[in-house]
Amino acid sequence: DTGVSQDPRHKITKRGQNVTFRCDPISEHNRLYWYRQTLGQGPEFLTYFQNEAQLEKSRLLSDRFSAERPKGSFSTLEIQRTEQGDSAMYLCASSLELGELFFGEGSRLTVL
Amino acid sequence: QQQVKQSPQSLIVQKGGIPIINCAYENTAFDYFPWYQQFPGKGPALLIAIRPDVSEKKEGRFTISFNKSAKQFSLHIMDSQPGDSATYFCAASKGSWGKLQFGAGTQVVVTP
Repeated sequence: DTGVSQDPRHKITKRGQNVTFRCDPISEHNRLYWYRQTLGQGPEFLTYFQNEAQLEKSRLLSDRFSAERPKGSFSTLEIQRTEQGDSAMYLCASSLELGELFFGEGSRLTVL
Repeated sequence: QQQVKQSPQSLIVQKGGIPIINCAYENTAFDYFPWYQQFPGKGPALLIAIRPDVSEKKEGRFTISFNKSAKQFSLHIMDSQPGDSATYFCAASKGSWGKLQFGAGTQVVVTP
């Protein structure tokens, strides 16, 4: 399968714990995006990378959130000191520079 | 502030019917308008997209109608099938195709 893959698919954690999600984009795609989707809502843009450079961050990305794409390939999204309001589906997507966005199946976070 | 407003929230049609989903936007700088289809537990998948220099686009059973002056666009699903039952999201972006503003989604149910 050469699509966007995300890991883990589901994470349950206690409030205050740190969690990290990984995204492996389609190999030839130089752009990588993170979105967040809550129940009954459309995805909301969080941040994106072109190669290894993080070019834009949404105001939704508080100081507790950090994303990296160290070698321009896979990316990680870390949430520190999780809160119940962080419970959501975290979607990763990739694209060529001006091309269709391909989404992964998402990582669902449940904060107890 | 939601930049793309989508309606209805849900709709039910019989097989062969034509569900119609409407979206409205405010930002006249938007120049790319895609529709995504999402099944439960899956990431959104691009269905069809349109640029503002075109008033209508068809791909298979899916048609986008675009009204630039009214800042509205809609999705029609012709000859709908039970397999089309999913949540549909409209979206819009300017310049960078990957930073999308999504609508809240419409849950479509096609009964046999």
